Amino acid sequence: EVQVVESGGGLVQPGGSLRLSCAASGFTFSSYWMGWVRQAPGKGLEWVANIKQDGSEKYYVDSVKGRFTISRDNAKNSLYLQMNSLRAEDTAVYYCVVTAESGCLDYWGQGTLVTVSS
Amino acid sequence: QSVLTQPPSVSAAPGQKVTISCSGSSSNIGNNYVSWYQQFPGTAPKLLIYENFKRPSGIPDRFSGSKSGTSGTLGITGLQTGDEADYYCGTWDRSLSAYVFGTGTKVTVL
Repeated sequence: EVQVVESGGGLVQPGGSLRLSCAASGFTFSSYWMGWVRQAPGKGLEWVANIKQDGSEKYYVDSVKGRFTISRDNAKNSLYLQMNSLRAEDTAVYYCVVTAESGCLDYWGQGTLVTVSS
Repeated sequence: QSVLTQPPSVSAAPGQKVTISCSGSSSNIGNNYVSWYQQFPGTAPKLLIYENFKRPSGIPDRFSGSKSGTSGTLGITGLQTGDEADYYCGTWDRSLSAYVFGTGTKVTVL
C-alpha cells in the first residue's frame, strides 16, 4: 500500500524557517517525481514545487522561488521542503504528493499544517 | 490566481447528472493531460481522473472525464449525497513550468 506521511509543520513567526519532511513507503520512491501542494485555510489547491527522480530537476511556483527548497533522499525514501523567510500568506496545509509518469498527482499524504504568525 | 477556470458550484438532485468544466489555454490543457481531484471537507484530495478520461482503481464509472481543445470536463452521473465535495482540475503548464489547478467547484446534491 502506497503511503506518504508528512511531518514538521507548526507555528512559526514571520521571517522564520521550517523544514517539512515526507516519509514514503509502499512504492519505489526513487522511480517517481515527488512534489508539494498547499492549501490555505478555506482556499483552493496551490502546487508548490516538484523534484525529479534523481533530484536533477526542480520546479517551483513563482511565489516561493528563492525562499523554498525542495530536496529528496532516495536512500531514506524521504522528501523535504526547506521553507525560509516565511510569510503570513504561506500559512496552509502542506501535502506531499507522488507524481505519476503522466504528470497527475497520484497519491497524497494527509497534510501538515504550517501557521506563520506572530 | 488560478490559470484554469471552473464554475464555483454545481448542483442537482440525487440520481441526476452534473458536469464541471475546466477552461485553460494552449500552454496547459491544450498540450497536456487533464486530471481531476476530489476533496471532502477536512481531508486530503484524491485522484479521480487522470490522462483526461482514465479512472484509477476503485473509482466508479459514474465519474467520467473528457478533453476538447483547451478545456476539460468532469461528469458525474447517478449523483449521490456522498458525492458532495470540492472538485479540482489540474495539469502542467509549459509556459509557467508549473503544475496548475483549477479554481475548484463545489458539488451540492439537492
